Amino acid sequence: DIVMTQTPLSLSVTPGQPASISCRSSQSLLHSHGKTYLYWYLQRPGQPPQLLIYEVSNRFSGVSDRFSGSGSETDFTLNINRVEAEDVGVYYCMQSIHLPLTFGQGTRLEIK
Amino acid sequence: QVQLVESGGGLVKPGGSLRLSCAASGFSFSDYYMTWIRRAPGKGLEWVSYTISSGSSTYYADSVMGRFTISRDNAKHSLYLQMNSLGAEDTAMYYCARMTTTGNGYYYMDVWGKGTTVTVSS
Repeated sequence: DIVMTQTPLSLSVTPGQPASISCRSSQSLLHSHGKTYLYWYLQRPGQPPQLLIYEVSNRFSGVSDRFSGSGSETDFTLNINRVEAEDVGVYYCMQSIHLPLTFGQGTRLEIK
Repeated sequence: QVQLVESGGGLVKPGGSLRLSCAASGFSFSDYYMTWIRRAPGKGLEWVSYTISSGSSTYYADSVMGRFTISRDNAKHSLYLQMNSLGAEDTAMYYCARMTTTGNGYYYMDVWGKGTTVTVSS
């Protein structure tokens, strides 16, 4: 199984400041046809997960442009520009290049 | 609008069975792969199972293989998860999710239901 490792596991951010979450995979998520199968989800308290970013850097429909994704092969980053109160929750990275689909442990973001 | 609504969760004794359902609306259900994801208390997300659009192929996490069965009824726009031989480790919120792809046969979840809670306890 591909192991997804997120750092940090928790984050406390002042509103208006940036935040960054890293995700490392135990195998490359780059397919030979050029796509990389890394996704980011946010689970707000009491809510189901919601898709933020697909295939490393593509924002899902309706997602704020304060969120951006980057990275390649095994190392990926989710950046949040100007954190807001509504960004509180647990962020997960996920890979889908190999079964089983696997998630990172989650990074809990709180507001200072 | 696109919606997924899970039901069927509850309290069950160890070794017992439960059948979860997921009712889909607002999209062409039969065109999409569908999946179950769970989140145990204090833990992260865990993929459980998925089925392709026709239901003819299904895939499972090792942790549930042989105990859980995913199925779908495209005429009823519904997804199911039959869970047998339940243990405490199966206690979790279970989410139904739609899977989509940008092509090339690799899928991810773009729409999630609110979940249904399964508690396995004596």
